[in-house]
Amino acid sequence: LAKTTQPISMDSYEGQEVNITCSHNNIATNDYITWYQQFPSQGPRFIIQGYKTKVTNEVASLFIPADRKSSTLSLPRVSLSDTAVYYCLVGDLRVKTIFGAGTRLFVKA
Amino acid sequence: DTAVSQTPKYLVTQMGNDKSIKCEQNLGHDTMYWYKQDSKKFLKIMFSYNNKELIINETVPNRFSPKSPDKAHLNLHINSLELGDSAVYFCASRPAGGHGYTFGSGTRLTVV
Repeated sequence: LAKTTQPISMDSYEGQEVNITCSHNNIATNDYITWYQQFPSQGPRFIIQGYKTKVTNEVASLFIPADRKSSTLSLPRVSLSDTAVYYCLVGDLRVKTIFGAGTRLFVKA
Repeated sequence: DTAVSQTPKYLVTQMGNDKSIKCEQNLGHDTMYWYKQDSKKFLKIMFSYNNKELIINETVPNRFSPKSPDKAHLNLHINSLELGDSAVYFCASRPAGGHGYTFGSGTRLTVV
């Protein structure tokens, strides 16, 4: 499973766009990039997944450059309720899953 | 309808006791998992079950034993509880061929 590196924490204000970047230099050909969100006292929640280029859903966008050695989760116009820990996972999650420390996003009013 | 449900939500018990945590999923997923989240918030996989067969067994103490009576249930039994077992335990499931997990809300285990 490819090791990932993400910022430990980020601060933002309501209404701003937040971009969280994850580095995964050792990503393998078959690896997918998946992001999860975890609120206090809850289990992680699937946000978005991609393999290459750009993926968008109702919650976020995921940008993946051509070399796939990094990815950026983009949260448009965050609100206070987006305060959570965001995990970047890379690999064939059907085989094994290791969650890193994640990025603690704190949205201020 | 809760997709992945765990019981109990909170569990406080004394050292040396044996306890079980139950998990049920109504998503029709093929694989179920148990994760442990420690005080530093790292999520570590403990077990996974696919069609009632254990396919991943991480290096956890043999005091921990997963039990799956059917595809929709994966229970976690813990013998001789120790202080270091205190953590939040999450159950999760995944569909066949899928990469996305659905997690339960967790069971906070406190061993005193």
